[in-house]
Amino acid sequence: KAGVTQTPRYLIKTRGQQVTLSCSPISGHRSVSWYQQTPGQGLQFLFEYFSETQRNKGNFPGRFSGRQFSNSRSEMNVSTLELGDSALYLCASSVGQGGGETQYFGPGTRLLVL
Amino acid sequence: AQTVTQSQPEMSVQEAETVTLSCTYDTSESDYYLFWYKQPPSRQMILVIRQEAYKQQNATENRFSVNFQKAAKSFSLKISDSQLGDAAMYFCAYHVEYGNKLVFGAGTILRVKS
Repeated sequence: KAGVTQTPRYLIKTRGQQVTLSCSPISGHRSVSWYQQTPGQGLQFLFEYFSETQRNKGNFPGRFSGRQFSNSRSEMNVSTLELGDSALYLCASSVGQGGGETQYFGPGTRLLVL
Repeated sequence: AQTVTQSQPEMSVQEAETVTLSCTYDTSESDYYLFWYKQPPSRQMILVIRQEAYKQQNATENRFSVNFQKAAKSFSLKISDSQLGDAAMYFCAYHVEYGNKLVFGAGTILRVKS
């Protein structure tokens, strides 16, 4: 099976702009989680979607939003970008049946905000 | 809220030797799952090992094994016969069942010397 894919891999934006990142999960996986990784804050959970519904959300401002489509692909959007949004954004997919199932990660999207 | 602590920012090991990475966590749950992930310089997060808290037996995967001490809330990773390819950042993670969320520790950089 193909792994989790994320597009684009690299992105440069300026403050105030908005950005949309995409994640395609492993075939058959219905849960997609998003994480932000920065040197200062480490890996932090953004949100998780299962069957087009957000089930959990991390402690991020409303500028961070996401959605999931019927084919389980997910997008996350960051509006009014700030310098501090520069980070590696990782998505992970799993079947979504619970029971501590393994999350499989994509290669990430590196976002640089100037 | 669950927390995960990795007290060793950096560790070194000689090739072919054994190294142990420490992880402690805090939770009030009795049934949960713990993970170790590896992140090499490519930044791709790779699953190393998974432990179910209700299982007494420590998980093993080839050269990787854990020492899971539930009462002490400790979950250390032992890497035997270390190889150059083991050099990476290692993250310990606690799985929150609701909303399929991983809570990560700060990570330990492992350097392997030849």
